[in-house]
Amino acid sequence: DAGITQSPRHKVTETGTPVTLRCHQTENHRYMYWYRQDPGHGLRLIHYSYGVKDTDKGEVSDGYSVSRSKTEDFLLTLESATSSQTSVYFCAIRGGENTGELFFGEGSRLTVL
Amino acid sequence: EDQVTQSPEALRLQEGESSSLNCSYTVSGLRGLFWYRQDPGKGPEFLFTLYSAGEEKEKERLKATLTKKESFLHITAPKPEDSATYLCAVQASYNQGGKLIFGQGTELSVKP
Repeated sequence: DAGITQSPRHKVTETGTPVTLRCHQTENHRYMYWYRQDPGHGLRLIHYSYGVKDTDKGEVSDGYSVSRSKTEDFLLTLESATSSQTSVYFCAIRGGENTGELFFGEGSRLTVL
Repeated sequence: EDQVTQSPEALRLQEGESSSLNCSYTVSGLRGLFWYRQDPGKGPEFLFTLYSAGEEKEKERLKATLTKKESFLHITAPKPEDSATYLCAVQASYNQGGKLIFGQGTELSVKP
């Protein structure tokens, strides 16, 4: 158990509404990541963080923003949700400074109508 | 462009029928290659890390191997509980953020 909790686990919303997904870790890891998983595309990186208030973009960052005000929490925000953002979102933490292994949460399924 | 391609997309085996999954990669310097298992409705679960050509790792009925262009996940005498989607990912040596590039996965089904 990597100590990662995602919330909410399921959410249905309407186009144009803001949505925030939360990732909480209990392991005090520096690196945290947000991926989305879609059929035909696999897992794609949205944003990642390498410390409090230190974040960077991934390959599919348009339409998303992130914040990390505490080590344990990494928030993903969709300012104005679109149907193309319907997906399963996974948070991950990096196992250590000198390792590459990522450990994933259980996922948050978002449906945008 | 860094890329990971997995084949086949889906594989159906009978219990006890050994086989291999393939992960081909193109990356500007490999820092590590990772295998994950994903069950339906769950997050990916880490299995192995391979760092250099010729390296092998084993866990129960699974063995992962690495060459300079691809990795294989060998499944020996599989059981129904091995049914899952297996994901391969790479980390490039220039990558300072620990970012992984994933393949699309191989969905394995093992029938009793």
